[in-house]
Amino acid sequence: TQLLEQSPQFLSIQEGENLTVYCNSSSVFSSLQWYRQEPGEGPVLLVTVVTGGEVKKLKRLTFQFGDARKDSSLHITAAQPGDTGLYLCAGVRSSNTGKLIFGQGTTLQVKP
Amino acid sequence: DVKVTQSSRYLVKRTGEKVFLECVQDMDHENMFWYRQDPGLGLRLIYFSYDVKMKEKGDIPEGYSVSREKKERFSLILESASTNQTSMYLCASSSRGRGPSEQYFGPGTRLTVT
Repeated sequence: TQLLEQSPQFLSIQEGENLTVYCNSSSVFSSLQWYRQEPGEGPVLLVTVVTGGEVKKLKRLTFQFGDARKDSSLHITAAQPGDTGLYLCAGVRSSNTGKLIFGQGTTLQVKP
Repeated sequence: DVKVTQSSRYLVKRTGEKVFLECVQDMDHENMFWYRQDPGLGLRLIYFSYDVKMKEKGDIPEGYSVSREKKERFSLILESASTNQTSMYLCASSSRGRGPSEQYFGPGTRLTVT
């Protein structure tokens, strides 16, 4: 069974601090996605990483896919209260079917 | 603006009742999914459909069934609701094609079984 372990599960920081969320697996994924979910809403895709070692930036968010395509990280620089939410990593099980396996999620609270 | 809608945001049912959760997407997507979301467990796949009338079990199908009679609509059925099915249920859709595609999610249905 493929598993994705996300850490930490909870993070409460002050505005302006930096943070990193990790997503690890013993399995290799063809690609990996990161979603953000706000209260009362469904998750929304932030990024897809496909190539081992790939780094993608989305404003203050930096996503990295491990060289062996078994792990990924999300780094947020100078966090803002608007970054508050649940961050989910998801490994793509099959590009044909689009099925994903999700990590447990990281709840981030950024205090003003 | 792409959209996935779910029939109810909140639902309260009694143990043993039959429960229907409806999901509709307007993006002409081939793939549709039902997940349940519980704290500390992330999203777990219940059922998946890749075409009309086609379905495939996910990781936790026990106690659930699904129906997809039209491309845009995917229903989740709890045949006899139990308290351990109290959860947030999320529907999603995606297009079929080469490479990983984005899943679009509905806002969720919070189901409480008493």
